[in-house]
Amino acid sequence: EIVLTQSPVTLSLSPGERATLSCRASQSVSSYLAWYQQKPGQAPRLLIYDASNRATGVPARFSGSGSGTDFTLTISSLEPEDFAVYYCQQRTSWPPYTFGQGTKLEIK
Amino acid sequence: EVQLVESGGGLVQPGGSLRLSCAASGFTFSDHYMDWVRQAPGKGLEWVGRSRIKANNYTTEYAASVKGRLTISRDDSKNSLYLQMNSLKTEDTAVYYCARVQCAGSCYDYWGQGTLVTVSS
Repeated sequence: EIVLTQSPVTLSLSPGERATLSCRASQSVSSYLAWYQQKPGQAPRLLIYDASNRATGVPARFSGSGSGTDFTLTISSLEPEDFAVYYCQQRTSWPPYTFGQGTKLEIK
Repeated sequence: EVQLVESGGGLVQPGGSLRLSCAASGFTFSDHYMDWVRQAPGKGLEWVGRSRIKANNYTTEYAASVKGRLTISRDDSKNSLYLQMNSLKTEDTAVYYCARVQCAGSCYDYWGQGTLVTVSS
């Protein structure tokens, strides 16, 4: 089973700052990595698929990069609505289709 | 508009059974793989299982933690996905989401609002 490790566990930043979230896979997942945002009491929302493609309706301040084992989600300038938990997910080695443990992005 | 609406959650005793439903609308349900994903209270996301389409013989896949106890089925005529949960354990307590598989199988572009299953005596 491929393990996805996200870092940091918690990231404290202020609106307007740049956020960089990391997801590392225990073995290569090629570019089959997605990122989701989840706010309290809500279902996850797809942000990025295939490592670097923004989903429909996702603002341009969200970008994804990486391949193989190391991936990054970048939010260029944080808006108040961006503070949430972010998960990465892979599907290369399946089943199972594993998720990372999440990074909580909180307001500093 | 794509909509996924789960129902059927509730409180059940350990060893008991429950059947969850996911009603889909706004898209051609029969064309899409569908997954169940769960989230224990205060925890992360865990993939539960997958339902494939008729062209793939309606095959299913399960996480090791639920295999043999949880069964996924679908009824394309009713645009519905199901999760039959038997021999429930306290560790099955979670919000259960159905999600539409997209991106050639590598992402979920639509999720339901989730339904809470609590396994407790």
